[in-house]
Amino acid sequence: EVQLVQSGAEVKKPGESLRISCKGSGYSFISYWISWVRQMPGKGLEWIGRVDPSDSYTNYSPSFQGHVTISADKSISTAYLQWNSLKASDTAIYFCARRQAAGTFQYWGQGTLVTVSS
Amino acid sequence: QSALTQPASVSGSPGQSITISCTGTSSDVGGHDYVSWYQQHPGKAPKLMIFDVSNRPSGVSNRFSGSKSGNTASLTISGLQAEDEADYYCSSYTGTSTVVFGGGTKLTVL
Repeated sequence: EVQLVQSGAEVKKPGESLRISCKGSGYSFISYWISWVRQMPGKGLEWIGRVDPSDSYTNYSPSFQGHVTISADKSISTAYLQWNSLKASDTAIYFCARRQAAGTFQYWGQGTLVTVSS
Repeated sequence: QSALTQPASVSGSPGQSITISCTGTSSDVGGHDYVSWYQQHPGKAPKLMIFDVSNRPSGVSNRFSGSKSGNTASLTISGLQAEDEADYYCSSYTGTSTVVFGGGTKLTVL
């Protein structure tokens, strides 16, 4: 069974750094890109970017480029989403999702709630 | 890279059919047959309902169907059921290894 299991909820202060994770199991981790998707409170889905776990190549939405970093460690089948300096506007639920085909995400993590507040 | 345009809300009675539109540009929806639709219930992760414009993953009811004309894709749900009440999102591949989502549509089953 394909599973994406994300790390738990986080509460941080503005300016702090954070890395959340997404561990894949039940399939060949290096065979499928992992994307990250943001959902701000009461709002829609926004594609942040993706990583190819086989070579760690990344693509980002222009809206997120430079503000977050996506990476992967294929040795432990885990993808990451990282911030160096959080803002209150980063408060959201973040989902990881496995690419099935171009633009298609069939498997999703359970979501990680990130709360940034002073 | 602007979000795809969806109606904010649609509604229908049980047994009826509804259609949700998703309008993009020739760079995304109109330029590729890689449009997907997702269903999201409150507090849950999105669920893939349609991929590649009109294909259903295994296990998704055949009451859900997708189509595309020009820069606009559509999701049709026939025989509405109470359990269909949820938020629906379209997405499209953009050709530069990036993806764009629609703003989402809240479906209310009356």
